[in-house]
Formats: sequence, C-alpha cells, structure tokens
Amino acid sequence: GAGVSQSPSNKVTEKGKDVELRCDPISGHTALYWYRQSLGQGLEFLIYFQGNSAPDKSGLPSDRFSAERTGGSVSTLTIQRTQQEDSAVYLCASSLSIMNTEAFFGQGTRLTVV
Amino acid sequence: KQEVTQIPAALSVPEGENLVLNCSFTDSAIYNLQWFRQDPGKGLTSLLLIQSSQREQTSGRLNASLDKSSGRSTLYIAASQPGDSATYLCAVRRGDYKLSFGAGTTVTVRA
Repeated sequence: GAGVSQSPSNKVTEKGKDVELRCDPISGHTALYWYRQSLGQGLEFLIYFQGNSAPDKSGLPSDRFSAERTGGSVSTLTIQRTQQEDSAVYLCASSLSIMNTEAFFGQGTRLTVV
Repeated sequence: KQEVTQIPAALSVPEGENLVLNCSFTDSAIYNLQWFRQDPGKGLTSLLLIQSSQREQTSGRLNASLDKSSGRSTLYIAASQPGDSATYLCAVRRGDYKLSFGAGTTVTVRA
C-alpha cells in the first residue's frame, strides 16, 4: 500500500479480554514503531523493531503488552487481560531505516475498554 | 533523558497571519527532527524532516529551522489559512533511535 495501514480503526472490548492490533508498514521500511496516545496526553513510546528484532522493549507498560513482527513487514501488538487504563489510540509508524529517515504514521487504532 | 518542549501550547490567529511554532529539546545528540500535523481523531502527517547536519527545510508555505547547538527548532507557516488549523508536533530522533515528541501546539486560524 501507499501508506502505513492499521487495523482495526476502532476496537471496543470488555475488560479482561485480549486484543490484537495490526500494523502494515510501508513496503521496504525496515524500522517500525508503536506509540500510544491517551486522551489529552502526548505520544508515549512503546516499542520499535529493526527488521524482525525489537532491540528496545522498555516502553511496554506491563507484561500484559507484547509485540511481534514477522517477515520484516506486518507487526502485531497484543494486549492481554485489558484494563480500562489501556484505552487510548495506538499509533504505528514506519521508516526506511532507524536512523535518519522520515517516519510515517498510520491513522491509529482507537481502543476502548469497557 | 531527552525532553521536548513546545511553546505555546495553543495559538489563535486571523487568516493571513504568519505562524511561528517553537520546539526545544535538551539533548543535542539527535539524528534528525521532524514536524508533524495531527487533525482531531486522526493520525500524524509528516510535514518536514530536518537532518542534524541541516539548518532548515522548506516545503511550500512551510519553513523549519534547526539550531542543534542551542536545542531549538522553529516552524514557520506563511499566510495562514483556516485549513492550517490542527495540532503541530515536533519529534527528535534520539541516539537510541526512538522518536521523542513534544506535547504539541494547537493552532486555530480564524476566517
């Protein structure tokens, strides 16, 4: 595709359920980032991938959060046993490399935990 | 730790005025700085990327400057239009490859 694609665009889930958020980066982009934006808050770094490897997972809020990337392309962010404080917009970005190239963001997945 | 600050937090101007948005960062060891625009309920749209070795970048009515030694960047938007109303975010790519974001400046251009 022409841009970064995220699915679903909206997700409403019950507290305690697991959710999977998907990100399709721009073709050929080796770097992929996940951020979280809570209502009225700034962007919070979660994790980034260089290829299929995640060198830095320090931003993941708890062990309920995990992410993987396969084939150097699609990434999935999984939240287990969702809590109300997980409600936020989850944004994915990709760039050609991790160093000095432009980052492009998807439209985000709005997660609401009820 | 890299801190990114954007001032002002909000700005309202009449149509046609030039906009000046400021971004400051505490650690000058950056790869680049990127300006984004975010419309309500939407993702981020990239506006300009300035490499650490560059002093400025221009795209249409937008011009961004970078003074790495003083930890500052300024985004200028000439002849503002109502369609420029949005939140503008700056982000620096740090030595550990993460993007650190400011809280943004919310711009309203009054017709």
